[in-house]
Amino acid sequence: QVQLQQWGAGLLKPSETLSLTCAVYGGSFSGFSWTWIRRPPGKGLEYIGEINHSGSIHSNPSLKSRVTISLDTSKNQFSLELSSVTAADTAVYYCARRVIQILNGNWFDPWGQGALVTVSS
Amino acid sequence: DIQMTQSPPSLSASVGDRVTITCRASQGVNKYLNWYQHKPGKAPMLLIYSTSSLQSGVPSRFSGSGSGTNFTLTISNLQPEDFATYYCQQSYSSFAFGPGTTVTIK
Repeated sequence: QVQLQQWGAGLLKPSETLSLTCAVYGGSFSGFSWTWIRRPPGKGLEYIGEINHSGSIHSNPSLKSRVTISLDTSKNQFSLELSSVTAADTAVYYCARRVIQILNGNWFDPWGQGALVTVSS
Repeated sequence: DIQMTQSPPSLSASVGDRVTITCRASQGVNKYLNWYQHKPGKAPMLLIYSTSSLQSGVPSRFSGSGSGTNFTLTISNLQPEDFATYYCQQSYSSFAFGPGTTVTIK
């Protein structure tokens, strides 16, 4: 059973760079996309971006200029960097695996446990 | 961009009740609609994918239906562990989530 475990700095100052890593246990990178999603306080879930096993990256256009997603297949990990953070980036950040099936679409499963990132001066 | 709405935003129900949550898309998403359960402090969990397919390990009291722009998640015989927030998510075009429906204990 695939499990995701994530970690990273929880308190940042404005203009700093958010950095989170997600480790994948019990499964392969191949055939899936590896995704970052966040939930700001009091708001819904927002797709940040993803990287597939080949290293192709797709990002939310609203965040694209600040997002870097990378993959380390030797460690079975993928990472998110979000530059120039502001208070609006305060959120719980989740990593997730995106499963793709040609006939049924795609979905996120499983998810990491989440990491609260607070941006405050 | 496709926008997702859910109703109601919250509901209060009792153990044993039948609960229905509605999700609407601003344009057709075919059958590409998924449902997740999220409990505070826990990882969101996939319940249903492709409108009505139950994810492995999910109790059969959860069911999904719909097509196009209108979808429903039904929980029959609500159990104590079902009190949570439920999100719909379309995968027809990008990955928009609904705002969530919180199910609380009456």
